[in-house]
Amino acid sequence: GESVGLHLPTLSVQEGDNSIINCAYSNSASDYFIWYKQESGKGPQFIIDIRSNMDKRQGQRVTVLLNKTVKHLSLQIAATQPGDSAVYFCAENHFNQGGKLIFGQGTELSVKP
Amino acid sequence: KAGVTQTPRYLIKTRGQQVTLSCSPISGHRSVSWYQQTPGQGLQFLFEYFSETQRNKGNFPGRFSGRQFSNSRSEMNVSTLELGDSALYLCASSLEGAVDTGELFFGEGSRLTVL
Repeated sequence: GESVGLHLPTLSVQEGDNSIINCAYSNSASDYFIWYKQESGKGPQFIIDIRSNMDKRQGQRVTVLLNKTVKHLSLQIAATQPGDSAVYFCAENHFNQGGKLIFGQGTELSVKP
Repeated sequence: KAGVTQTPRYLIKTRGQQVTLSCSPISGHRSVSWYQQTPGQGLQFLFEYFSETQRNKGNFPGRFSGRQFSNSRSEMNVSTLELGDSALYLCASSLEGAVDTGELFFGEGSRLTVL
């Protein structure tokens, strides 16, 4: 069945280091992937997205990599800052599913000063 | 412009009661989706409404229902509440309902506690 999972539930990094958060998905028909950041007491906030016809997309301090061969998605955060501490979710979508997203379980990122 | 607004933010109910949650999408957005977030199950899709019609539905029992009004505001209702319904209920809106044409904007959620 459809599922999006994360390899690690928690990740602790030193301020200034790079962070890599991983995600595995099982639905090869998914054609759109999104990373969300959720801070305590808030709703998920869009970080970056990538379509299935791309392998890499870069934003400000963030990069998403998509490996369709092994159905793997990763989020790289450069020069991680204390404000990056949050739970990060990957989500997948199929174009005929409208607003339906399938979310992974989330990875909690903790940044040590 | 104002973001997605959800009311109430917090509420406590007892088993067997029913609850109605409200969501006002971003102005101009016609699609509203609802998600349930729990520590054990994570974020799970409930349903999506677009132009007052339910377009997608997740795997939740019939006790969970929703509707959308002509101004795109949406409500969801949970009847005969169970302890397991305690969760953060999140509403998200998008312009046209296809998330890949734009971001899905989430509200801050309604925290429901069932005693």
